[in-house]
Amino acid sequence: GQQLNQSPQSMFIQEGEDVSMNCTSSSIFNTWLWYKQDPGEGPVLLIALYKAGELTSNGRLTAQFGITRKDSFLNISASIPSDVGIYFCAGQLLGAQKLVFGQGTRLTINP
Amino acid sequence: EAGVAQSPRYKIIEKRQSVAFWCNPISGHATLYWYQQILGQGPKLLIQFQNNGVVDDSQLPKDRFSAERLKGVDSTLKIQPAKLEDSAVYLCASSLDMGAQYFGPGTRLLVL
Repeated sequence: GQQLNQSPQSMFIQEGEDVSMNCTSSSIFNTWLWYKQDPGEGPVLLIALYKAGELTSNGRLTAQFGITRKDSFLNISASIPSDVGIYFCAGQLLGAQKLVFGQGTRLTINP
Repeated sequence: EAGVAQSPRYKIIEKRQSVAFWCNPISGHATLYWYQQILGQGPKLLIQFQNNGVVDDSQLPKDRFSAERLKGVDSTLKIQPAKLEDSAVYLCASSLDMGAQYFGPGTRLLVL
């Protein structure tokens, strides 16, 4: 089936640093979504991307829908302690509602 | 706007017992999804409903898992009988259309 390769799997950074993570696939997606999941909670939607090349920001978060429609990245600027958690990318295939999830990026921040 | 509601939040059962999870989607969302999330992995779709009809249940282990959405609003996911490998978080999500899905807090199941 379709797979999303999300990297890195984990990140250990200092507070205030910028963060970058990405997802790639061999399949073409028409929607990319980025979620954050805190321990004991469900994933929370951060950013939704619907057009190739689209660059969208949500506060300190910026995400882009790759031109090839096969990749997306998420950047977090000036990280703060509450950014700790697991970030998932999810792609939606053309004509389908089913989401395919990446394996997640676990972000740890040292104060 | 109220989010996706799920209950119970936690459940511990012994193998071979049965268990049921409940989900109430965001008001007006026609599409409802049940996902299974194994520790350390991303969510995996089990079943998708459009109103009260099943759209995709290709990854639902139908010998032991069943789900229904009789009136096109609330949904129930059942496991009978449970196995050790069913220990996971069961997430419900809903969407308005072919776009962003919004997740509930999940039900954490432990099968002993």
